[in-house]
Amino acid sequence: EVVLTQSPATLSLSPGERATLSCRASQSVRSNLLAWYQQKPGQAPRLLIYATSSRATGIPDRFSGSGAGTDFTLTISRLDPEDFAVYYCQQYSNPPPRISFGGGTRVEIK
Amino acid sequence: QVQLVQSGAEVKKPGASVKVSCKASGYTFTDYYVHWVRQAPGQGLEWMGFINPKSGGTNYEQKLQGWVTMTMDTSVSTVYMELTLRSDDTAIYYCARDRIGDGYNRMDVWGQGTTVTVSS
Repeated sequence: EVVLTQSPATLSLSPGERATLSCRASQSVRSNLLAWYQQKPGQAPRLLIYATSSRATGIPDRFSGSGAGTDFTLTISRLDPEDFAVYYCQQYSNPPPRISFGGGTRVEIK
Repeated sequence: QVQLVQSGAEVKKPGASVKVSCKASGYTFTDYYVHWVRQAPGQGLEWMGFINPKSGGTNYEQKLQGWVTMTMDTSVSTVYMELTLRSDDTAIYYCARDRIGDGYNRMDVWGQGTTVTVSS
């Protein structure tokens, strides 16, 4: 089982600042199988990034993803007020088919 | 438009079963896996498994084997998740689609969530 560890658990920043979120895997993850999601209170998760660095449809370019192997990063270049939320990384491994999520990083207003 | 619409909230006793539906519209039902993901109160996301609507094949998270069953009815583009409940299964249950065979794994459309409360 691939365990994803996200850090920090909470990130306190001001609008306009840069956010850097980390996701570390217990074993190597294929780059095309690593995704990031945003979740706001009372809402379903929303796909932000797939295949490590590809933005999903409609996602602003202030969101970017990078990484390889066991270390992945989600960067928000300039925080917009609507970006304060919880972010999860997620990986897929096979065989057998298994998906795991990280524990999440909460980005809160400082 | 593309959407997944889930059935309504449920309250059940431990040991009972719950069956949650997820109706797809706006896309070709058999082109996408449907995953189930749950979220206990105040907690993170937990993957439960998925069903392949093209083949009917399923894969479940190991710890849920024997407790969960995912089925489908292609005539109404609907996937079902049935779970035999324990007290710690109180959660919001989400379905999400993921395109088959494109070399990626991405849950790009999610249902609105179904709250299941387990209480004696």
